[in-house]
Amino acid sequence: TQLLEQSPQFLSIQEGENLTVYCNSSSVFSSLQWYRQEPGEGPVLLVTVVTGGEVKKLKRLTFQFGDARKDSSLHITAAQPGDTGLYLCAGAPQNTGNQFYFGTGTSLTVIP
Amino acid sequence: DTGVSQDPRHKITKRGQNVTFRCDPISEHNRLYWYRQTLGQGPEFLTYFQNEAQLEKSRLLSDRFSAERPKGSFSTLEIQRTEQGDSAMYLCASSLGLTGLAGEGSQETQYFGPGTRLLVL
Repeated sequence: TQLLEQSPQFLSIQEGENLTVYCNSSSVFSSLQWYRQEPGEGPVLLVTVVTGGEVKKLKRLTFQFGDARKDSSLHITAAQPGDTGLYLCAGAPQNTGNQFYFGTGTSLTVIP
Repeated sequence: DTGVSQDPRHKITKRGQNVTFRCDPISEHNRLYWYRQTLGQGPEFLTYFQNEAQLEKSRLLSDRFSAERPKGSFSTLEIQRTEQGDSAMYLCASSLGLTGLAGEGSQETQYFGPGTRLLVL
């Protein structure tokens, strides 16, 4: 059982469409990070969300942290081919030491 | 460039051989993590250092795996008697840990290196 479950696992959409990726857990997190990873490279940090209910925007990307700090979502508006990649949520659950957990990942393909 | 670096980027080896990977973290970061990632999956935690002390090891880390961070700066990950199942991307990350525990009100953010892709034939 994965601590952080992401959905969908795969997503293929046309350029210009909107999409939402979900990251869910039964554990409470002090913060959650979202990363994007391209093939053959390490994950690159997009954002960190800290406060329950927090919404952060990064150009066409909107990140939300759930009120209970157990879940998060990533919404992309007007997707572009450059958004293609593996999207990962990650964090360390409260009171469990320093082990950092990654989500199962969402592989996004944006078709021109 | 002041990011996390890893060497080598690619390694091909024969089953049974030993391999060693190196990670150079961001210079002011006190925490260093190793992860393993297989194709299409998220990274899996292997081990973690705070300065030179190895504080946590995953159950995924068999006796054939050993990691060191002797001076609290760079780290090495060695795999002895490699097996085909060890083929994966090995990622290193570093962070500046400001609290005692990452899960206790921490805003710790990890920065990743480009990874070392290992193929065991």
